[in-house]
Amino acid sequence: GENVEQHPSTLSVQEGDSAVIKCTYSDSASNYFPWYKQELGKRPQLIIDIRSNVGEKKDQRIAVTLNKTAKHFSLHITETQPEDSAVYFCAASNNAGNMLTFGGGTRLMVKP
Amino acid sequence: DVKVTQSSRYLVKRTGEKVFLECVQDMDHENMFWYRQDPGLGLRLIYFSYDVKMKEKGDIPEGYSVSREKKERFSLILESASTNQTSMYLCASSPRGRGISQPQHFGDGTRLSIL
Repeated sequence: GENVEQHPSTLSVQEGDSAVIKCTYSDSASNYFPWYKQELGKRPQLIIDIRSNVGEKKDQRIAVTLNKTAKHFSLHITETQPEDSAVYFCAASNNAGNMLTFGGGTRLMVKP
Repeated sequence: DVKVTQSSRYLVKRTGEKVFLECVQDMDHENMFWYRQDPGLGLRLIYFSYDVKMKEKGDIPEGYSVSREKKERFSLILESASTNQTSMYLCASSPRGRGISQPQHFGDGTRLSIL
């Protein structure tokens, strides 16, 4: 089955700096890659997603890039703010497109 | 807005008890999921249901079963709870994508402690 690796497991940045989280996946048939943000004590919330026919997608301060050949995708957050502090999860779909395999999560801490 | 509701935020049970975790979604989604969340391991899929009375095993189904008698409700059952099942349990739902993957929407989670 699919295997998703996520790095780093923890990331500490100064407010205003950029943060990058990277994920690799194993199933070349995966075609959907969402990112979720989970604040302390809250549910995971979808923040951005990308499909395999697109190489990059942006939404204000967040962007996701996908390299299908290398089977990796990354989340980029620019101008980080303290409210960006959370655990971020990447995921990749199975070839049927109905299930997701999640990475282990990255705890992002933005220091004011 | 999609609402996925889990019946309990916190639950404490004893070893050997039969435990039921309930999840209800209000968006008429075909797909429903149960995950277990442990630090450093991300979200691991326990079971998935794509229709009423239909289910598929996920990555870690051992010790668990599920029930989907109505479209909006998906129950996770711990047949005989053990201490290694102490964890956060998350329910999610998504529409059927007809070949196109769809985002999953999560509930608030149930933190289950088995003593």
